[in-house]
Amino acid sequence: KAGVTQTPRYLIKTRGQQVTLSCSPISGHRSVSWYQQTPGQGLQFLFEYFSETQRNKGNFPGRFSGRQFSNSRSEMNVSTLELGDSALYLCASSLALAGDEQYFGPGTRLTVT
Amino acid sequence: AQSVTQLGSHVSVSEGALVLLRCNYSSSVPPYLFWYVQYPNQGLQLLLKYTSAATLVKGINGFEAEFKKSETSFHLTKPSAHMSDAAEYFCAVRRMDSSYKLIFGSGTRLLVRP
Repeated sequence: KAGVTQTPRYLIKTRGQQVTLSCSPISGHRSVSWYQQTPGQGLQFLFEYFSETQRNKGNFPGRFSGRQFSNSRSEMNVSTLELGDSALYLCASSLALAGDEQYFGPGTRLTVT
Repeated sequence: AQSVTQLGSHVSVSEGALVLLRCNYSSSVPPYLFWYVQYPNQGLQLLLKYTSAATLVKGINGFEAEFKKSETSFHLTKPSAHMSDAAEYFCAVRRMDSSYKLIFGSGTRLLVRP
């Protein structure tokens, strides 16, 4: 079974631009979560989707948004990029059953210049 | 609120020595606890999880962890370190409810000396 895939793997953007990252969960998984990883702040939860509905949102500004499609694929968008948005963005999927773990993708490395 | 604290941002051991990575959690309700490993330029890989069944949990690559409620701890151990164990390790907690949101510790980088 294929794992979680994220595209693109690497991205370089300029301040003020916007970016869209994509995540394809493991087949059959209905829950997708996004995390931001930076050296200073560590791993921080962005948002969680289940059946196309956002169930939880972390403490990030409104510039960060996401969505989930009917096939469980998810996208996250960051508008008006800032230098501090440079990070590894990780997507994780799970079956969404009690006790179930999350499986992480390789991440998208975003660099904002 | 839930949180996890990982003691020691860096741990260095000799190859063949015991690995002990410490994690203490804070949770007002019974938690699910996880250990993940991250190799350079990769995502996170699940090592093991605790979901209120057996308190001693065995994971992949020879790792295990023991849930101790009285100490609010979930330390990760491996009897004999291998060079390939060098990586960053993250402890994480989440509530036993419908949310899959993980709260991660700050991570411990394991260095293995030859």
